[in-house]
Amino acid sequence: SYVLTQPPSVSVAPGKTAKITCGGNNIGSKSVHWYQHKPGQAPKLVILNDSDRPSGIPDRFSGSNSGNTATLTINRVEAGDEADYYCQVWHSSPDHVIFGGGTKLTVL
Amino acid sequence: QVQLQESGPGLVTPSQTLSLTCTVSGGSVSSGLFYWTWVRQPAGKGLEWVGRVYTSGSPNYNPSLKSRVTISLDTSKNQFSLKLRSVTAADTAMYYCAGATYYGDSTLWGQGTLVSVSS
Repeated sequence: SYVLTQPPSVSVAPGKTAKITCGGNNIGSKSVHWYQHKPGQAPKLVILNDSDRPSGIPDRFSGSNSGNTATLTINRVEAGDEADYYCQVWHSSPDHVIFGGGTKLTVL
Repeated sequence: QVQLQESGPGLVTPSQTLSLTCTVSGGSVSSGLFYWTWVRQPAGKGLEWVGRVYTSGSPNYNPSLKSRVTISLDTSKNQFSLKLRSVTAADTAMYYCAGATYYGDSTLWGQGTLVSVSS
């Protein structure tokens, strides 16, 4: 089965840049989506199709995907960005969605 | 604006069937705009995709749950539902319903409902 690997945690100081990776076999051939999940709230889509931002998501959030690694980059990190972040892909045969294990972003 | 609301028992007995409903308001489950999806999160763990149903074709399920899961549409009530059979404590989780694209990305989510499996 296809597995997405994320680091359990990433820490960053306010105003700095956070990079959260999502590893998978030839993930560059898939479309990767990223969610922000805060306690008590529903997950929020922050990046779709590798690098597109849904309406209302600030341009501090960006994404890239190549080879075996997809990356979510958050520039000028704010305290409000502290959350769990999950990558997601669609996998076929059989058709189903896969989530990465999640990364807890801590703003120092 | 389409909104989703989960409902169902908060407590289920082990070996029984967990049944949840997601009510769609502000839109139709028959619109073809979304793949109606269930996602869960056990306490302290990550998100897990349970499965989805569309207005046509067969539902798709997480292979690890496929033998126990049924997701279906009720167009007369504008709802879709989740049934998970033979539950154990490992099925205790927050369950979210969502509306997603074919490739699984979703900007439409319910608020979630907590289901505990315990005797």
